[in-house]
Amino acid sequence: QVQLQESGPGLVKASETLSLTCAVSGYSNSSGYYWGWIRQPPGKGLQWIGNINHSGTTYYHTSLKSRVTISLDTSKNQFSLKLSSVTAADTAVYYCARQDRNWGALDYWGQGTLVTVSS
Amino acid sequence: EIVMTQTPLSSPVTLGQPASISCRSSQGLVHSDRNTYLSWLQQRPGQPPRLLIYKISYRFSGVPDRFTGSGAGTDFTLKISRVEAEDVGVYYCMQATQFPYTFGQGTKLEIK
Repeated sequence: QVQLQESGPGLVKASETLSLTCAVSGYSNSSGYYWGWIRQPPGKGLQWIGNINHSGTTYYHTSLKSRVTISLDTSKNQFSLKLSSVTAADTAVYYCARQDRNWGALDYWGQGTLVTVSS
Repeated sequence: EIVMTQTPLSSPVTLGQPASISCRSSQGLVHSDRNTYLSWLQQRPGQPPRLLIYKISYRFSGVPDRFTGSGAGTDFTLKISRVEAEDVGVYYCMQATQFPYTFGQGTKLEIK
C-alpha cells in the first residue's frame, strides 16, 4: 500500500526558509508518477505548490516560483520542499501527494503537517 | 491560470437523498493528448483530501459507486446518488490539464 509521510519543523520564523520532506513507501516503478506538494491555509481551500517527476523535472505555481524548490532523492524514496522568505501568509497545512501521470490525479496523500510562520 | 468555480459552496442534504456539485473551468480542459484531467476529491473533517474521480468519470479504487462524475469541455458535475453520513465533508474539483494545477473553492456537504 502506498504511503506518504511529511516531516519537518512546525514553526518557522518569518523571512526564513520552510523545509519539509515527504517519505514514500509501498510503490514501484517511479517513472509513472509525479510527486507534488499542496498546501491549505487554516479554514481555507487547497493550493497546488508544485511537483517533480522521476527525471527531476519540476513545475511550480507561478505565484510561488521565485521562492520554491522541490527536489527528489530516489535513493531514500523521498522528496522535499523548500520555500524561502516565508511570511504569515505561508502558514498552512502542507501535504505531499503522488500524481499518477496517466490519470492526472493526486491519488495518494500524506496526512499533512501544519507549518506556522511566526513573527 | 485556469480558474475553477464550484457551485453551490454549501449543500445541506437529507440522508438517502441525492446531491450534485457543479464545477466550471475558465478554459476548456482538453489536453493536447486528448485527455481531460479533471478530478474530484473529498476531504472529510480533519483528514487529508481523498481522490474520488479522475479524468471526469473514472472512479478511483475503493470509491463507492454512488459517486459519479460527468461533464465535458468546461462544465463538470459530481453526483452522489444517495447521501450517507460518511459523505459529510468538503468536495473539490481539480484540473491538471494546464500548469499551474488549480482547485475549485470547495463545496461543503452537510446533513440536514
